[in-house]
Amino acid sequence: KAGVTQTPRYLIKTRGQQVTLSCSPISGHRSVSWYQQTPGQGLQFLFEYFSETQRNKGNFPGRFSGRQFSNSRSEMNVSTLELGDSALYLCASSYTGAGGVDTQYFGPGTRLTVL
Amino acid sequence: DQQVKQNSPSLSVQEGRISILNCDYTNSMFDYFLWYKKYPAEGPTFLISISSIKDKNEDGRFTVFLNKSAKHLSLHIVPSQPGDSAVYFCAASDHSGNTPLVFGKGTRLSVIA
Repeated sequence: KAGVTQTPRYLIKTRGQQVTLSCSPISGHRSVSWYQQTPGQGLQFLFEYFSETQRNKGNFPGRFSGRQFSNSRSEMNVSTLELGDSALYLCASSYTGAGGVDTQYFGPGTRLTVL
Repeated sequence: DQQVKQNSPSLSVQEGRISILNCDYTNSMFDYFLWYKKYPAEGPTFLISISSIKDKNEDGRFTVFLNKSAKHLSLHIVPSQPGDSAVYFCAASDHSGNTPLVFGKGTRLSVIA
């Protein structure tokens, strides 16, 4: 079974621009979660989508948004980029959800650098 | 407010010895705990988990211990191998799955040959 894929792997943008990141979950997985990882901050939960609906949302500003398509693929968008948005953005998929006992499988991440 | 804390940012251990990684949590609603391992340029991979109905779970060289009264868990790796060098994240959730996983900041383990 193919794993979680994320595109692009690396991205360089300038302040004020917007960016869209893509995630393809493992086949059959209906839940896709997004996390932000910055140095020394661990993984911070952004949001989770399940069957095209946002089910959970973390404590991030409205500049961060996402969506999920009928084939479970997901995109996240960051508008009006700030320097502090530079991070590794990780996507994870699972059968049933972002919490509980269902194991989440992570993609390799997209490294976003904002200049 | 950090609900899951990994107070040691880094740990160095000699090959063949035991590695002990610690994690503390504050939310008493958490009843399911996981450890993930992350290599550079890769996403985290699931390592081992434990439910609050147990105090120990073992998988090969990896054992997780849970002390509910102290709200503390630890991951033991015996014997440690150079390939275990990675960042280890502790995560917590509840069985309901209604709340997403909460991760600690990670501990970087270096196993020295």
